[in-house]
Amino acid sequence: QSALTQPASVSGSPGQSITISCTGTSSDVGTYTLVSWYQQSPGKAPQLMIYDGTKRPSGVSNRFSGSKSGNTASLTISGLQAEDEATYYCCSYVGSNTLVFGGGTKLTVL
Amino acid sequence: QLHLQESGPGLVKPSETLSLTCTVSGGSISRTNDYWGWIRQPPGKGLEWIGSVYYSGAAYYNPSLKSRVTVSVDTSKSYFSLRLSSLTAADTAIYYCAREEATWGAMDVWGQGTTVTVSS
Repeated sequence: QSALTQPASVSGSPGQSITISCTGTSSDVGTYTLVSWYQQSPGKAPQLMIYDGTKRPSGVSNRFSGSKSGNTASLTISGLQAEDEATYYCCSYVGSNTLVFGGGTKLTVL
Repeated sequence: QLHLQESGPGLVKPSETLSLTCTVSGGSISRTNDYWGWIRQPPGKGLEWIGSVYYSGAAYYNPSLKSRVTVSVDTSKSYFSLRLSSLTAADTAIYYCAREEATWGAMDVWGQGTTVTVSS
């Protein structure tokens, strides 16, 4: 299984919206809805932000939303805030009870 | 509240075997909806899923690591373990344990991580 493809970096100004893409194949993202997104701040463990492609865990701001089209999943953050600056990882189920991560996208809030 | 805590050596020698333990507290390791997984992160790099185990002992592995990895569980002591053999410098990383919610394949509770350095 190959890592999912994410842009290395994205940036946006406070109040704007940004979208991070996560591209896989018809064997992973294209077949399964089980895509999750994680936020990782420096020196911290990752935190689950989206699961099953579009669902938010309790306590996660509704500024975070997930979607999918074909082999690409996306994370959108609206109303960007300084505290959103972090690295974001997507993760997809790839069958046989195995998972694969994307390479990560560093979000900079300008 | 569920809490996971990794433990193990911070320094291991090349060619040796790494053994890490993740202790689960504040909840049951035998819950039918959960897998228990290991994820690692080399310095300055991204996350890599290593493998996971069900309370029954059934284990699943990243194909790229499968020949060197064993993940096991001890429900009586509420912990699960990772063994990684034939270590090289490329195995130097922060190792995290996490709960994988079975229905969604998502890791919703993470340990703080433990740093492992492979060096002679």
